[in-house]
Amino acid sequence: QVQLVQSGAEVKKPGASVKVSCKASGYTFTSYYMHWVRQAPGQGLEWMGIINPSGGSTSYAQKFQGRVTMTRDTSTSTVYMELSSLRSEDTAVYYCARDSPLAVAGTSAFDIWGQGTMVTVSS
Amino acid sequence: QSALTQPASVSGSPGQSITISCTGTSSDVGGYNYVSWYQQHPGKAPKLMIYEVSNRPSGVSNRFSGSKSGNTASLTISGLQAEDEADYYCSSYTSSSTYVVFGGGTKLTVL
Repeated sequence: QVQLVQSGAEVKKPGASVKVSCKASGYTFTSYYMHWVRQAPGQGLEWMGIINPSGGSTSYAQKFQGRVTMTRDTSTSTVYMELSSLRSEDTAVYYCARDSPLAVAGTSAFDIWGQGTMVTVSS
Repeated sequence: QSALTQPASVSGSPGQSITISCTGTSSDVGGYNYVSWYQQHPGKAPKLMIYEVSNRPSGVSNRFSGSKSGNTASLTISGLQAEDEADYYCSSYTSSSTYVVFGGGTKLTVL
């Protein structure tokens, strides 16, 4: 079945970096954009950026420009999100989410979500 | 502060209908028919309920419907059931550098 499986929880110190993986299965990896969305404890959803698994092109939310890097490995059908210079406000659950094949590409319809990766930033 | 404005909470009794609003601007909700709605139960990932304003993915109950007027989109749930109790988020494509924006979320309580 179509699924996205993310890497496990991380605990990082302020100033460090974290790299979260998201492995896709059950569909053609390069056919659909992938997004990263985060959710701080008790808060709403926040879009971080998008990657085209086919060519690797990316677009990031302005808030994260310079701190986030999204990459992909087509040989393992995996996308990665690395966030640097971590601060306590980055404590959140990080989700990867697939662009829905039902909608126009890249237009905020995400049909498959990973299980989420909790990243805790604490000294 | 979220880019799209939703009420913090709504409630209804089983069998009733409720509507959740999502207000943006002409750069997002009002400018494109690319509004989506998500349902999120505690500790779970969001689930796509509506895309492109009013389209339902296969498997989503027809009790869920979406619409839009000007800069405000709406999600209506008819025949409320206990299992509908969850947080609901709207999202929209935006012409700003952010690309995709979410609402702050609405907690639905089924009384």
